[in-house]
Amino acid sequence: GQQLNQSPQSMFIQEGEDVSMNCTSSSIFNTWLWYKQDPGEGPVLLIALYKAGELTSNGRLTAQFGITRKDSFLNISASIPSDVGIYFCAGRETGANNLFFGTGTRLTVIP
Amino acid sequence: DAGVIQSPRHEVTEMGQEVTLRCKPISGHDYLFWYRQTMMRGLELLIYFNNNVPIDDSGMPEDRFSAKMPNASFSTLKIQPSEPRDSAVYFCASSQNNQDTQYFGPGTRLTVL
Repeated sequence: GQQLNQSPQSMFIQEGEDVSMNCTSSSIFNTWLWYKQDPGEGPVLLIALYKAGELTSNGRLTAQFGITRKDSFLNISASIPSDVGIYFCAGRETGANNLFFGTGTRLTVIP
Repeated sequence: DAGVIQSPRHEVTEMGQEVTLRCKPISGHDYLFWYRQTMMRGLELLIYFNNNVPIDDSGMPEDRFSAKMPNASFSTLKIQPSEPRDSAVYFCASSQNNQDTQYFGPGTRLTVL
């Protein structure tokens, strides 16, 4: 099946620092999504990307759809304690309905 | 609008017992997905429905697992008999069409002793 490699697996950062994480796939996707999961809750959609090269922001979060269509990036600027959680990338191949999920990046923000 | 609703939120049962997980998708969404999340394997798609019809159940691990969607507002995932390795968090998600994004429920944490 499809393999999504997400890195890094975990990050420990100081409050106020910027964060970058990425996701790569073994095949071409037409959709990239980024989710955040808080403890005891389901993933919540942060940003959706539908076009190669697309750059989309949601507050302090910015995500990009890689031009090769095999990767995506998520940046968080000026991190705050509530950014703590697990961030997942997810992608969908052309013509498919199901999403493939990355293994997640666990973010810890130290006040 | 209410999001995806799942029940129960937590379930503890003994090996060999039947377990039924329930999901109510967002009204108007045509697609419903069941996922399983574990530390070892992350999020795995088990099965998804379109307009109440199962489309792809290739992720269902064994015949012990079954899912139904009798109407547009309700779906069940059943495990019979349950085993300790079934312990995981089970998520239901729904989406409006095949180009839209999926919205997740809060999950059911299943523990099989």
